[in-house]
Amino acid sequence: DAGVTQSPTHLIKTRGQQVTLRCSPKSGHDTVSWYQQALGQGPQFIFQYYEEEERQRGNFPDRFSGHQFPNYSSELNVNALLLGDSALYLCASSSKWRAGDSYEQYFGPGTRLTVT
Amino acid sequence: GEDVEQSLFLSVREGDSSVINCTYTDSSSTYLYWYKQEPGAGLQLLTYIFSNMDMKQDQRLTVLLNKKDKHLSLRIADTQTGDSAIYFCAEKRPPGGGNKLTFGTGTQLKVEL
Repeated sequence: DAGVTQSPTHLIKTRGQQVTLRCSPKSGHDTVSWYQQALGQGPQFIFQYYEEEERQRGNFPDRFSGHQFPNYSSELNVNALLLGDSALYLCASSSKWRAGDSYEQYFGPGTRLTVT
Repeated sequence: GEDVEQSLFLSVREGDSSVINCTYTDSSSTYLYWYKQEPGAGLQLLTYIFSNMDMKQDQRLTVLLNKKDKHLSLRIADTQTGDSAIYFCAEKRPPGGGNKLTFGTGTQLKVEL
């Protein structure tokens, strides 16, 4: 049973560029959430996708956008990169959104983004 | 307060018990979690507790919840060197709050021989 997978593992970009990160949820899961973890900090919630729609959003600017595909995989896009966007980007998957209160979230290994 | 608070660092000897503490923010949070993060890795779900419980035990792990004081703790029995990592507590706020987890800043556990 495959867990949550993310690609790429590492990425180096220049200020002003755009980046796309990818996530495949754990088998049987239909909800994907994205988090940003700056060095020495806990993860911060970016947004959550279910049924190909953004359902909830944290305190992040519109430069951060996402997409969910019919197979439940997801992409995180960041435009106009800033040095402060350098972080570990984590994807988490879960299920039972319809029950209103899914409780198990499993994280992928993350994508380390460095902006120079 | 708005932040989930944890002490930054804990050092224990191998074989001793470790207790990692956390103060969360919302007394009506539904689920509270403990995650483990090893260097360069993602987060591993260790255990979670529903808010109507006081205690949960899972092998070497014991979670205690004090809702009145919004205090959560994780006890690791017979701590091993492989337990060295950063431990995050997280809260899931009231129903209707979606899947958003709010994390603390993490406690780095160092296990010494």
